[in-house]
Amino acid sequence: GIQVEQSPPDLILQEGANSTLRCNFSDSVNNLQWFHQNPWGQLINLFYIPSGTKQNGRLSATTVATERYSLLYISSSQTTDSGVYFCAPGGGFQKLVFGTGTRLLVSP
Amino acid sequence: ETGVTQTPRHLVMGMTNKKSLKCEQHLGHNAMYWYKQSAKKPLELMFVYSLEERVENNSVPSRFSPECPNSSHLFLHLHTLQPEDSALYLCASSQFLDQPQHFGDGTRLSIL
Repeated sequence: GIQVEQSPPDLILQEGANSTLRCNFSDSVNNLQWFHQNPWGQLINLFYIPSGTKQNGRLSATTVATERYSLLYISSSQTTDSGVYFCAPGGGFQKLVFGTGTRLLVSP
Repeated sequence: ETGVTQTPRHLVMGMTNKKSLKCEQHLGHNAMYWYKQSAKKPLELMFVYSLEERVENNSVPSRFSPECPNSSHLFLHLHTLQPEDSALYLCASSQFLDQPQHFGDGTRLSIL
C-alpha cells in the first residue's frame, strides 16, 4: 500500500509567520486531500488536490504527482491555525491513506 | 456547521456490552466511511459504502459490524469489544468515491 511521510512532525510558530508542510508518498495517486484537525478533534477538509495548485485564503496547496509530493502553505499564521494537519493520498477510488500528521502550535 | 452528525459524542461501555454508533449526513452524498483514530496512530479506514453497498472492508475484526440502510445513514454496531478498541471513531461522507470527504465530530469510545 501507499506509504505517507509528513514533515515536520511538530512545528511551533509565532503568530504572523509563514510555514510550509510537506507530504511525500510512495506511489502514484489519483486522489489527495489535506485536512486540519483542530484541538477539539474536528477534522476539516482543506483541499482536494490530486495535482496542481489551489488557494483558499491564507492557505494554498500544491501537488506534484509525478514527483510524489504535496505541499501545504500557511501564510500569516493565526492561533486558530493550531492543530494537526493531515495529508491523505489515495491510490484507489475509495481508500485514502492518512499520514501521521504535522502538529502545529501558533503562539500569540 | 457540519453536515455530518455523529451520535453519541462519548460512549463508555464494558467489554460484554452491545452498542451502536450512528452517523447521518445531510449533504446528499452517496458514499460514507468509518474511520478509527487511536492515540499516536494515523487514521485507519474501516469501512466504505457507496450507494448503500459496502465496497471496502479493511480487515476489521468481526466485533465491528457496519450497516448502511440508506445513503444518509451509517451505523457501526459494536459487541464484545476489547480495551484496545478505545479510540475516536469518525464518520465521513463524499459525493462519490474519490471526492472530497467531509467528517463528523466523532464518537469517543472508551472500553472498560
